[in-house]
Amino acid sequence: QVQLRESGPGLVKPSETLSLTCTVSDGSFSSYYWTWIRQPPGKGLEWIGYIYYLGDTNYNPSLKSRITISLDTSKNQVSLKLSSLTAADTAVYYCARAATYFHNGNGYPRGFDIWGQGTMVTVSS
Amino acid sequence: EIVMTQSPATLSVSPGERATLSCRASQSVGANLAWYQQKPGQAPRLLIFGASTRATGIPARFSGSGSGTDFTLTISSLQSEDFAVYYCQQYYNWPPLTFGGGTKVEIK
Repeated sequence: QVQLRESGPGLVKPSETLSLTCTVSDGSFSSYYWTWIRQPPGKGLEWIGYIYYLGDTNYNPSLKSRITISLDTSKNQVSLKLSSLTAADTAVYYCARAATYFHNGNGYPRGFDIWGQGTMVTVSS
Repeated sequence: EIVMTQSPATLSVSPGERATLSCRASQSVGANLAWYQQKPGQAPRLLIFGASTRATGIPARFSGSGSGTDFTLTISSLQSEDFAVYYCQQYYNWPPLTFGGGTKVEIK
């Protein structure tokens, strides 16, 4: 079964840019939405954004000005960059995969069926 | 933005009993609703998609129902490994994709 593994710095300073990478074990990007989701300590889940395997991106409006998600199929990686960090960005960051579900000609991300183990990121000076 | 509201926040249930969790959407999401289980220190696990379809490997004691704005996750007979936090999530309209705040199922 495909596995996802997040990697990146555990501690970053305020105002800096966070860079995280998600490695997809089998490189099977086709027909999936590749997504970043985060969870602050003791809180619920927040969708950050996704990149579709064809390259289309979609971001949470609350974070849109600070996010870039990209795909590097040659390295089997999905990347997240989040700029202008504050303490409010402290969270466990997950990458996850959703299959495409088609209905009335539209594609939908049909639930996140594969998740990485998550990586804790602390924003502190 | 579609707001997902889960109730109750905490559900106390004895092993072997039935648990019923609710999720309400601020507007219709059709059947584009997923449920997840999360245990401490672990990533969420997909239980249900399409409001009622169990994901691969999910036991039959988990069932989902509902459409439009009101959804239910039922665990027919709670096992010890089912005590966890459960989240619903809509994928009908985005951005953003949105999750409910979660229901913690604890041992009574």
